[in-house]
Amino acid sequence: DIVMTQSPDSLGVSLGERATINCKSSQSVLYSSSNRNYLAWYQQKPGQPPKLLIYWASTRESGVPDRFSGSGSGTDFTLTISSLRAEDVAVYYCQQYYSTPPTFGQGTKLDIK
Amino acid sequence: EVHLVESGGGLVQPGGSLRLSCAASDFTFSNYWMYWVRQAPGTGLVWVSRINTDGRSTSYADSVKGRFTISRDNAKSTLYLQMNSLRAEDTSVYYCARGTYEANNCFDLWGQGTLVTVSS
Repeated sequence: DIVMTQSPDSLGVSLGERATINCKSSQSVLYSSSNRNYLAWYQQKPGQPPKLLIYWASTRESGVPDRFSGSGSGTDFTLTISSLRAEDVAVYYCQQYYSTPPTFGQGTKLDIK
Repeated sequence: EVHLVESGGGLVQPGGSLRLSCAASDFTFSNYWMYWVRQAPGTGLVWVSRINTDGRSTSYADSVKGRFTISRDNAKSTLYLQMNSLRAEDTSVYYCARGTYEANNCFDLWGQGTLVTVSS
């Protein structure tokens, strides 16, 4: 199984500041024939199910604000929130869908500093 | 509005069984692979099982293989998870999720979840 490791485990950021969450996979999730990274990011607020934010490592899901962006390739990926808003407080998960079983990172809890 | 609604969770004794259901609305259910993902209290997300569009191909996490069975009824737009020989470590919120049209194993729609508690 591909192991996904996120850093940090928790993060405090001031309102309006940038938040950066990292995700590393134990093997590449770049599919060479399509040149696509099989990497997604989800946001989970307390008491709610996860919500898809980013897929193909950098494609925003419909309706997701453009302050959310994803980058990276191969084994190293980043989720960036350019200007933190109060409603962004949540746990964020990366997930690889390159191979079965699909696996998630352990989550990063984002709070307001 | 498209959505998924799970039901069937509850308290069950170790060794018992439960059947979860997930009713889909406002999208063509038969066009999508479907999944179960679980989350133990205070922990992260773990994929449990998946089923393809016609129900003929399934896959399971090693931790549930031989005990859980995923199925679907496309006529009823409903996904199921039959859970047998339940263990304490199966205690979780169980979410059904829809695979994206472009990429299987990436989940673009989730239900609210149903809590399964295995305890004597």
